This record gives sequence, structure tokens and C-alpha cells, in this order.
Amino acid sequence: AQRVTQPEKLLSVFKGAPVELKCNYSYSGSPELFWYVQYSRQRLQLLLRHISRESIKGFTADLNKGETSFHLKKPFAQEEDSAMYYCALTPLVDSSYKLIFGSGTRLLVRP
Amino acid sequence: DAGVTQSPTHLIKTRGQQVTLRCSPKSGHDTVSWYQQALGQGPQFIFQYYEEEERQRGNFPDRFSGHQFPNYSSELNVNALLLGDSALYLCASRYPLDSGGSDTQYFGPGTRLTVL
Repeated sequence: AQRVTQPEKLLSVFKGAPVELKCNYSYSGSPELFWYVQYSRQRLQLLLRHISRESIKGFTADLNKGETSFHLKKPFAQEEDSAMYYCALTPLVDSSYKLIFGSGTRLLVRP
Repeated sequence: DAGVTQSPTHLIKTRGQQVTLRCSPKSGHDTVSWYQQALGQGPQFIFQYYEEEERQRGNFPDRFSGHQFPNYSSELNVNALLLGDSALYLCASRYPLDSGGSDTQYFGPGTRLTVL
């Protein structure tokens, strides 16, 4: 079965603290992994994807196939990072590129 | 380009009624996917339309149907509404796969459906 698990519903940190949003996936093939973000009163948007291996707004995520994880990290959290974060995967066996989302983690960065 | 647009923004219906939600994709995009996001959950894939045909479907009953028009806009129809259909319905679009454009999906703002 294809599944994405985000174990934390809420993660609260102080400004300047490191952040790690956890994501584990279940998929028998080779998926493509994403992090999507939804800021307050804005639409869902792509933050980063594992194949691009880039850092966006200071966030990075490494795909660990052994642990089937794709945790999102940032060394120093900023207040503007407060948002809802969704981990998602796309099975690459079909061309639909449908997204399978986790239930999301709300990140709250306190001043 | 306004990006992906959806209408209406909010909708209230009663059980047993039927509803139609609309989506206009981002300029240059030809593939439209629909997702249902229940409160406190991540979006769940309903189906995808490409070249006016349903290409793939998630685990949703036949009460959920759709349509894509020649201009690539799309509709989501839900018949015999249940209380459990109350959710945010998201539309996402992307470039043609062979266009050289990004396969990134762009989401609309959603339609909030409440079933009473």
C-alpha cells in the first residue's frame, strides 16, 4: 500500500531553533517525494522535491530509502516559517503523477 | 496569469443534493486533478483528467464524477451528498508531460463544501 505518515500534528519551536518535520513513507517501488507548504490564507504550494536536491527558504530534505523517510530540516527557524507542511509522494509507475499526502504537521515558530 | 482558479469559494448543500464544482487550470496546463481535503487531513486524490478523459481514479465512489472541457477547464460533480462529503475540494493542474515544462502541480484555493 502507498502511504505517507507524518507523526506530529503540531511542532512548536522558538525562533532560531532547529526544525525537523518527520515524514515516513510506504511504497514498494521508487517514489518521488515532495514537501508542500500552506501558509495562512494561501494556497498549497510546492516547497521542495527530492530529485532537485535544492534548499528552498533554508529548508532541506534528504531521501533515506533504507529508513523510508524524507524528513524536512531547517537549522534556524524563522517566524515566517509558521505554516502547515505536507509530505507527499508520487508513484512513478504511472504517468498521472498523482500525489499521496500525509496528514500534515503544523509548524509554529514562536518569537 | 491568475494561476489555478476555482468556483465557488464556499457552498452549503443538504444531504441528498447534487453539487458541481469548477476549476480553470493555469495557463498552458492541460492536466487537471481533483483532491478532497477533510478537516485535519491531507488532500486525498479523487481523479485526474487529461484530453477530456478520466485517466486515473482514487478510492472514491461513483457518486463522484467529473468532466474536462476542450479549454482544459474541469468540473467535479458529487451526487447524493452525504455529511461525510463536507470538505475542502482542491483542483491542481500541470503542464503536458511532453511539453518540456515542469511536472509540478499547482493548486487552486479550493472550494469549501458543507453538507448539512
